[in-house]
Amino acid sequence: ETGVTQTPRHLVMGMTNKKSLKCEQHLGHNAMYWYKQSAKKPLELMFVYSLEERVENNSVPSRFSPECPNSSHLFLHLHTLQPEDSALYLCASSQVDGTEAFFGQGTRLTVV
Amino acid sequence: GQQLNQSPQSMFIQEGEDVSMNCTSSSIFNTWLWYKQDPGEGPVLLIALYKAGELTSNGRLTAQFGITRKDSFLNISASIPSDVGIYFCAGLDGANSKLTFGKGITLSVRP
Repeated sequence: ETGVTQTPRHLVMGMTNKKSLKCEQHLGHNAMYWYKQSAKKPLELMFVYSLEERVENNSVPSRFSPECPNSSHLFLHLHTLQPEDSALYLCASSQVDGTEAFFGQGTRLTVV
Repeated sequence: GQQLNQSPQSMFIQEGEDVSMNCTSSSIFNTWLWYKQDPGEGPVLLIALYKAGELTSNGRLTAQFGITRKDSFLNISASIPSDVGIYFCAGLDGANSKLTFGKGITLSVRP
């Protein structure tokens, strides 16, 4: 098993759809992150969960809703997205001190 | 906010050449990380640096943590085609324990 696994790898959804992205880590980490990666932009941190509590929400629109049921799993629930939300969504995990973050392979999301 | 500067945006080298990439900041960081991202994949951690002046190698890769703690470089020696990808630097400060990423440098290697 790879350290951080994301599903699905690719997702195409309409603007009225509801979908969820899943992330699972097998590294024994206790912090998990959602990042958005758009073309020609730095990685944008969206959400941080530390010890299963959300500790940071970087002004992300409410159409993105994270969920962290336990330290190994992280979800990103999506609804009524816009075409500009199309991007690669990356999950990462680390220990709480955040020294080394390990990334999943990402979900390539296209909103049509 | 904190920013990490990586330039140029793209680099083109010949197979077998060495290449060096810099990452600079106006802020001090306690940890520097270098990641590589292949097309369609997530970033993979290459090297982590924890002390100012530290020089660390990982195969053909060598990275250094600048003495001022405001910069780091990554050197790839004897490049090969599979070195193609985007190389990101990331810094972690002691205050908020949040990683700051550079925009990345896209490396192309001509056979």
